[in-house]
Amino acid sequence: GQNIDQPTEMTATEGAIVQINCTYQTSGFNGLFWYQQHAGEAPTFLSYNVLDGLEEKGRFSSFLSRSKGYSYLLLKELQMKDSASYLCAVKDSNYQLIWGAGTKLIIKP
Amino acid sequence: ETGVTQTPRHLVMGMTNKKSLKCEQHLGHNAMYWYKQSAKKPLELMFVYNFKEQTENNSVPSRFSPECPNSSHLFLHLHTLQPEDSALYLCASSQDGTSGAGELFFGEGSRLTVL
Repeated sequence: GQNIDQPTEMTATEGAIVQINCTYQTSGFNGLFWYQQHAGEAPTFLSYNVLDGLEEKGRFSSFLSRSKGYSYLLLKELQMKDSASYLCAVKDSNYQLIWGAGTKLIIKP
Repeated sequence: ETGVTQTPRHLVMGMTNKKSLKCEQHLGHNAMYWYKQSAKKPLELMFVYNFKEQTENNSVPSRFSPECPNSSHLFLHLHTLQPEDSALYLCASSQDGTSGAGELFFGEGSRLTVL
């Protein structure tokens, strides 16, 4: 079967750096997405990786290793507003999105 | 209005009621989706419409009935629901339903409670 694994919850301190990992086993691969979802709000797109390596976008970076079935989302200079759930999703060979259950990130002052 | 809008934001219904969820997108996209989001579970894809044609129906019970009258509007008709159907129902759109890179744009969701 197809599966996406990510930690259920993480805690970090304001101003610090946090890395949220995502591992996947899917039938084929057509890209990996990260979304951010604040409580009671819509998920919003953060990043897309289809080739190996690091994609940097401001304070957020996303890394992909297709051979390892592994990605991480790196958040730098954490702010209180970064408290949210982070969803990892992979498009399989049929362009179907397979979703992880999300990682709830709690930022403490 | 911009983006994807969903109404109502909150809905409480009994198991014998009939209600509908509405979604409208103002992005000129060709694909629209219904997802179910339950606590601590992955998003569950329910229905996909690509250019107004239903392309996916992931074994969703018949008590959920989608309708896509045009590429900008999507409905989810609900009848004789069960308490386990209580969840957040998210509508999303994308440029099309088959490309690799196209991200989803989500609405705020409709929080459904079935009594």
